[in-house]
Amino acid sequence: GAVVSQHPSRVICKSGTSVKIECRSLDFQATTMFWYRQFPKQSLMLMATSNEGSKATYEQGVEKDKFLINHASLTLSTLTVTSAHPEDSSFYICSASTSGHLTDTQYFGPGTRLTVL
Amino acid sequence: DQQVKQNSPSLSVQEGRISILNCDYTNSMFDYFLWYKKYPAEGPTFLISISSIKDKNEDGRFTVFLNKSAKHLSLHIVPSQPGDSAVYFCRRVIAGAGSYQLTFGKGTKLSVIP
Repeated sequence: GAVVSQHPSRVICKSGTSVKIECRSLDFQATTMFWYRQFPKQSLMLMATSNEGSKATYEQGVEKDKFLINHASLTLSTLTVTSAHPEDSSFYICSASTSGHLTDTQYFGPGTRLTVL
Repeated sequence: DQQVKQNSPSLSVQEGRISILNCDYTNSMFDYFLWYKKYPAEGPTFLISISSIKDKNEDGRFTVFLNKSAKHLSLHIVPSQPGDSAVYFCRRVIAGAGSYQLTFGKGTKLSVIP
């Protein structure tokens, strides 16, 4: 089956630093990748949708200058949390799709736990 | 308001019995609903989906029912197994005007008791 990996699985950083999270589709080419965040006991919130080679589309309320998304290839998308603050601490999950249609199956990565001190 | 609501944060079921997980939504239009299962510290796993032109979709032990008049979606797991213990999310995809909206419910934690 389709496998999506995320790296790192867990990261702890100091306030004000930037953190990069990688999302890779290991055995298929992902036309579209999605980034979510999940707060404790909350639902998954879609942050942005990225298509290979183009700018990401951000959901309302998500700061694009704070959460930089790069989808440089069909197998890799990165999310950079810039100038992280404690309120950015969350569980970040990516998913990948072989098409741009959200009704198609998305394959989720295992998630990255970010803790900002 | 395009939300989906899972009003039960948790559910406990005896092994072998039926688990019924519910999801309500507002503002009917052409929709596509999906159910995901999630273990702690892992990403969600897709389980089963249904489009709004259908009333039922079945896959093994999992059956999803869509009641459009009541704007209600339910996932039935029969028979329930301890390995089914996880958090279940319903998700709604709304297509329109060349763009898509994605909303997840808050999830229901299912505990299957051996």
